Amino acid sequence: NAGVTQTPKFRVLKTGQSMTLLCAQDMNHEYMYWYRQDPGMGLRLIHYSVGEGTTAKGEVPDGYNVSRLKKQNFLLGLESAAPSQTSVYFCASRPTRNTEAFFGQGTRLTVV
Amino acid sequence: QQQVKQSPQSLIVQKGGIPIINCAYENTAFDYFPWYQQFPGKGPALLIAIRPDVSEKKEGRFTISFNKSAKQFSLHIMDSQPGDSATYFCAADSASKIIFGSGTRLSIRP
Repeated sequence: NAGVTQTPKFRVLKTGQSMTLLCAQDMNHEYMYWYRQDPGMGLRLIHYSVGEGTTAKGEVPDGYNVSRLKKQNFLLGLESAAPSQTSVYFCASRPTRNTEAFFGQGTRLTVV
Repeated sequence: QQQVKQSPQSLIVQKGGIPIINCAYENTAFDYFPWYQQFPGKGPALLIAIRPDVSEKKEGRFTISFNKSAKQFSLHIMDSQPGDSATYFCAADSASKIIFGSGTRLSIRP
């Protein structure tokens, strides 16, 4: 049982480049989330989705876009990467509100 | 604006001691309060959670104490072990969002 899988695990980007992070879950969960983790700042919510075809902004959405075309996938896009987006990104999913969230292993992104 | 405030940022405890991590929130719409544990290089994993109609919840060596009127909650780890060394996050759930605290790096000395 794979759970939540993030692709890629590591990436180095140059300033201004674009990329897409993929999150896939095989638990048939409705809710999916993207967080970034920075030292001393915990996990900050970027965007989230409560079902296929829906997305919503979190605490720090600027510079990111998301899509949820299929229930099992949640994509996070960076159109023009900036050094401030250097971080570890985590995807999570859960069945509905007020339930356990399952996290992926993270993507370490460095923007130079 | 930090909706969930967590302290301390780091904590060192001797084996067998009782580390305590505190969190406070402002939004009364929060209705579910989980704690997550994270080991280096891994994603966070649910440790224990509580709802605001309960003042205390125990699961093994882990206990959440909840004070609804003060809008505060805390995690206690009884008989702490070196294997408990990790980063702990409190969180608050409102509608569809999970808002996390800033995390506490806990080290248990042998």
